[in-house]
Amino acid sequence: NAGVTQTPKFRILKIGQSMTLQCTQDMNHNYMYWYRQDPGMGLKLIYYSVGAGITDKGEVPNGYNVSRSTTEDFPLRLELAAPSQTSVYFCASSYTEGTEAFFGQGTRLTVV
Amino acid sequence: TQLLEQSPQFLSIQEGENLTVYCNSSSVFSSLQWYRQEPGEGPVLLVTVVTGGEVKKLKRLTFQFGDARKDSSLHITAAQPGDTGLYLCAGENRGSTLGRLYFGRGTQLTVWP
Repeated sequence: NAGVTQTPKFRILKIGQSMTLQCTQDMNHNYMYWYRQDPGMGLKLIYYSVGAGITDKGEVPNGYNVSRSTTEDFPLRLELAAPSQTSVYFCASSYTEGTEAFFGQGTRLTVV
Repeated sequence: TQLLEQSPQFLSIQEGENLTVYCNSSSVFSSLQWYRQEPGEGPVLLVTVVTGGEVKKLKRLTFQFGDARKDSSLHITAAQPGDTGLYLCAGENRGSTLGRLYFGRGTQLTVWP
């Protein structure tokens, strides 16, 4: 079972470049999330989705965009990358509220 | 500001000691979850508590949900080096923010042999 798969695992971006972090899950989960984790910090919610076609902002959405055209996929788009976006990004999914969230392995992004 | 405040942020103890980690909020949560994260990995669920006053045990780990469902604690008895990791509490605040799963900053636990 693949669970939640994130790509790429590592990426270095130059300031002003754009990229898409991919996330796919094969558990038919309704809820999906994107978090960022900075050193010494917990997880900050960027965007989340409660089903295909439905997305909403989390705590730190500025500089990011998402889409949810299918149940399986929830890509995160970074436009005009800035050094402040250097972080580890985690995608997660859960069946519904209050149920276990399954996480991907993370994407370590450095913006230079 | 963090919706969920965890304390302490760091904890370094010897094998065999007991410890308690706290997760507090001014908001009421429909449920609270505790996760453990190892370096280079995503968090993995330990337990979910749903009912105010609920106590759950997982071997040497005891989880408690406050009566008002605003706080939770994790107690580890006779800690082992294998317990080393980042412990995170997470909660959902229903209503207008249905679907938002918030995390605390975490407690980094190191258990020395």
